[in-house]
This record gives sequence, C-alpha cells and structure tokens, in this order.
Amino acid sequence: GQQLNQSPQSMFIQEGEDVSMNCTSSSIFNTWLWYKQDPGEGPVLLIALYKAGELTSNGRLTAQFGITRKDSFLNISASIPSDVGIYFCAGQRVDYKLSFGAGTTVTVRA
Amino acid sequence: SQTIHQWPATLVQPVGSPLSLECTVEGTSNPNLYWYRQAAGRGLQLLFYSVGIGQISSEVPQNLSASRPQDRQFILSSKKLLLSDSGFYLCACSRGTGELFFGEGSRLTVL
Repeated sequence: GQQLNQSPQSMFIQEGEDVSMNCTSSSIFNTWLWYKQDPGEGPVLLIALYKAGELTSNGRLTAQFGITRKDSFLNISASIPSDVGIYFCAGQRVDYKLSFGAGTTVTVRA
Repeated sequence: SQTIHQWPATLVQPVGSPLSLECTVEGTSNPNLYWYRQAAGRGLQLLFYSVGIGQISSEVPQNLSASRPQDRQFILSSKKLLLSDSGFYLCACSRGTGELFFGEGSRLTVL
C-alpha cells in the first residue's frame, strides 16, 4: 500500500502531559483512522475521520483530517499511564484498502 | 457489533512444519476479511484479503496461503514454515466502510 509517514516514531510521556502525533502522505485518502495497540493484543480503533477538515474527539483524544486529505494528527490530552502503547494511523482510498503508518510507541517517562 | 476470534493465540512450530491459523467472525455477514502480519516492533503488513467465499487476493509473495471456506471463516496456512514466518498474525474484518476491526492476534514462533 501507499507509504504513510508517522511521527514521532516513539515518545515518552509524563502523566498529565498533552501529546501529539501525526501522519502524512503524498497520496489523498478518503478516510483516516487511528488505532491503539496494547502489547500482545490486536489494534483497537480509536477515532475514524471521514471528511477533510473534520475534527473529532473521543474522550481525551482529538484527531483531525487534514484539509489537503494527505495528513492527520492525533492529540492526547492530560495523559495517564494507561495511554502507553503503540498508536497507528491508517489511510483508506476508494478501493477500501488501508495503508498503515509504522506506529508511534508511547511509553512512560521514568 | 462484530467480534473476531483467532486461534491458537500462541504457537511454537519447528521449521518445515505446516501451519494453520483460524479466524472466525461473529455479528456481521458478508465481511471483507484480512490477514496482517506484524514483526516485532514493526507496523502492519497486509498479507491477504478476501471479499467473499473462495475469493482471495495476495498482497505479497510469500510462503503462506489463505482460504475462505465459509462467509465468516478465514484461514492462514503454510505447508512448510520458515524462520522468517515468525510474527504476530492479525485477522481483521470490515464492511467496506473503511473501519477495520482486529482480532486478538496469534503469535507464531518458528524455531
């Protein structure tokens, strides 16, 4: 599938901090999805975005579908220890196949 | 909502042995089904997808094959495993709306 550039590759969080990650692509997507994967489990869908410019929240999570349809970001506000895990972005084109980013690993700063 | 079951959850197999990983879906009909592989610390690689019974598309050439004998059953197989087949295998389904839902995963270690 098309390459999605997800950054940062990893980050350390301190409880209470806001964190942000994003995905960019050279291709246009119709849908952007954000997933979280805990160790040893399958990814779980967090937020789905369907329209350019759309800003959607799910609790402490906020994600936006970029106006150019080539990018998306995910923000986590007031992080808590259970926010650790791997976050994946995914973009979908008209053929319904998803392209995934390489993931952002979030760990707790000691 | 749909539920995706995978088994076995973990598997340790010697090189050259056969493989069968099974995935079943509940709570939906006529789903699109997918097999992904995730190497340690890496992203998700699409291996196979299916839009219906007996219809399989392969995304990458490999030592694995997939079959869909029933609408809500998807099987990943190999006749002879290689060391490089080790990884975390994820079954997923969608209804074509874009939202992909994953199973719990099957961890395969080939020794």
